[in-house]
Amino acid sequence: GDSVTQMEGPVTLSEEAFLTINCTYTATGYPSLFWYVQYPGEGLQLLLKATKADDKGSNKGFEATYRKETTSFHLEKGSVQVSDSAVYFCAQTAPGYSTLTFGKGTMLLVSP
Amino acid sequence: DVKVTQSSRYLVKRTGEKVFLECVQDMDHENMFWYRQDPGLGLRLIYFSYDVKMKEKGDIPEGYSVSREKKERFSLILESASTNQTSMYLCASSPGLSPSGANVLTFGAGSRLTVL
Repeated sequence: GDSVTQMEGPVTLSEEAFLTINCTYTATGYPSLFWYVQYPGEGLQLLLKATKADDKGSNKGFEATYRKETTSFHLEKGSVQVSDSAVYFCAQTAPGYSTLTFGKGTMLLVSP
Repeated sequence: DVKVTQSSRYLVKRTGEKVFLECVQDMDHENMFWYRQDPGLGLRLIYFSYDVKMKEKGDIPEGYSVSREKKERFSLILESASTNQTSMYLCASSPGLSPSGANVLTFGAGSRLTVL
């Protein structure tokens, strides 16, 4: 079935470092892809999305490009801040479906 | 902004008790969802609903039931709570399907349930 695999954490970085969190998916069709973020004590909120191959989603300095050839949607940010410390979830949804399939989440810890 | 409100942030219940988790959304969304979140397992879908009085099983429905009598409200019910149901429960809602399939979910803040 459809699934999402993302790198295990925690990812520990110093402020202003470059961030990559890897995400790959398996799907029978061409899904839409998402990154959600969960700050401590809160629910998940949408960070960015992409609906077709080669689309780039971006928000708050984060970017991810939908790569059909490698079935990937890696999250990147050029310079992380302490306030980016959170758990990041990659997710997909198949066309015509309402439900999302999530990865297991990657915790990011940024130190000053 | 869409708001999804979960009535209880923290609950402590005893084994065998009946537990109700309530969720309300205020933007007339068609779809509502219940997930549970556990360390190392991520989010797993329990049930979802795409219309009033309609429900569909997710990946882990065993031990749970749901109720959607009104469009804005989606309740998760644990008929007889067990310790392995100790978890964070997240409610979400979304509009009906978009042509692009980019079905964006809006989540509540979560309800942390401890079953003793």
